[in-house]
Amino acid sequence: SQKIEQNSEALNIQEGKTATLTCNYTNYSPAYLQWYRQDPGRGPVFLLLIRENEKEKRKERLKVTFDTTLKQSLFHITASQPADSATYLCALASGGSYIPTFGRGTSLIVHP
Amino acid sequence: DTAVSQTPKYLVTQMGNDKSIKCEQNLGHDTMYWYKQDSKKFLKIMFSYNNKELIINETVPNRFSPKSPDKAHLNLHINSLELGDSAVYFCASSDLGDKNTGELFFGEGSRLTVL
Repeated sequence: SQKIEQNSEALNIQEGKTATLTCNYTNYSPAYLQWYRQDPGRGPVFLLLIRENEKEKRKERLKVTFDTTLKQSLFHITASQPADSATYLCALASGGSYIPTFGRGTSLIVHP
Repeated sequence: DTAVSQTPKYLVTQMGNDKSIKCEQNLGHDTMYWYKQDSKKFLKIMFSYNNKELIINETVPNRFSPKSPDKAHLNLHINSLELGDSAVYFCASSDLGDKNTGELFFGEGSRLTVL
């Protein structure tokens, strides 16, 4: 069966460090992979999209890598700030339906 | 100017009742979705709908039905509510046209509590 796995344990880091979150998947042939941020009591907000033929994408302090051989995406936040504390969700969409399927998300806590 | 708005934000009701959650998007998108986020924070697709096709997640009970009066609205009707229906329901929209970026725009969620 198809699975998207993200660390269920919260990631605690110090302000200024780089946060790295992992998204692994099985039995998918994704056309693209997305990362979203969700704050408590709010809807998810889109951050980045990376397509199957792309290795890396950057946006300001964010960087996403996509390894379709390892079936893994890494999401990096450099120079992290307490305001980056949130839950980060990865989502995959296959070429057939383009309906994103989400992982459970990983909570990031950045300590001042 | 809210892009995707859903009402009500909170809904508390008794088992067996029928309820609706409304969703509207002003982004001109061609596709709308309903997702359910349970207590374990899993965000699961329930329906996807555009003016051509309704895609239903086969695990969704037929007590749930989407209704789209027009392209900008996708309402969720739930009949005979059960305790297990308690969750946060998110409406979302996207543009699956030629300029598809795949980005979903979510509403703020509607927290449903069934007593």
